[in-house]
Amino acid sequence: EDKVVQSPLSLVVHEGDTVTLNCSYEVTNFRSLLWYKQEKKAPTFLFMLTSSGIEKKSGRLSSILDKKELFSILNITATQTGDSAIYLCAGNYGGSQGNLIFGKGTKLSVKP
Amino acid sequence: KAGVTQTPRYLIKTRGQQVTLSCSPISGHRSVSWYQQTPGQGLQFLFEYFSETQRNKGNFPGRFSGRQFSNSRSEMNVSTLELGDSALYLCASSLAGPGANVLTFGAGSRLTVL
Repeated sequence: EDKVVQSPLSLVVHEGDTVTLNCSYEVTNFRSLLWYKQEKKAPTFLFMLTSSGIEKKSGRLSSILDKKELFSILNITATQTGDSAIYLCAGNYGGSQGNLIFGKGTKLSVKP
Repeated sequence: KAGVTQTPRYLIKTRGQQVTLSCSPISGHRSVSWYQQTPGQGLQFLFEYFSETQRNKGNFPGRFSGRQFSNSRSEMNVSTLELGDSALYLCASSLAGPGANVLTFGAGSRLTVL
């Protein structure tokens, strides 16, 4: 059965801390892994990873995929209160005609 | 350009009633996917429509149904509502489908069943 598991489920840090969010997956016909950030309602896209070992960066956020060990991490450096959100990881199964399976998310709370 | 628009944003129903939720995708997007989000289960896939055809379906009972119109707008319907149907229903659109393109999500419809 396809599944995506995120850890931790929740995390509380202080501004300035660095955090690492984890995502492991077992997805048949794997095509890509995606990260989304959900603050209020609509998840917004962060990264799509298709190749192993290549880090993607956007400001203080970065992510990398390990296709051998079937996991991905999302790093956030120098956290700010605006980083407080639920971070969702999703595995693309079934190829181009396929779909996404989401993990349950990591709820990150950044305290001032 | 306008994003994905979902209506209504909030609604309250009682058990046994039915509800219809609407989703207008980004202009030019032909694929619309629906997800149910609850605190315990996270985002769970309901179904995906592409060019008015249901292309994929998740593991939900037949009370959950949907359709897509020729202008790509989509509706989902839940009949005989149960308390457990209380959730945030998210719609997402993409050019060719979630397997091929990144999804853009709407703000969701928050359904409360009493």
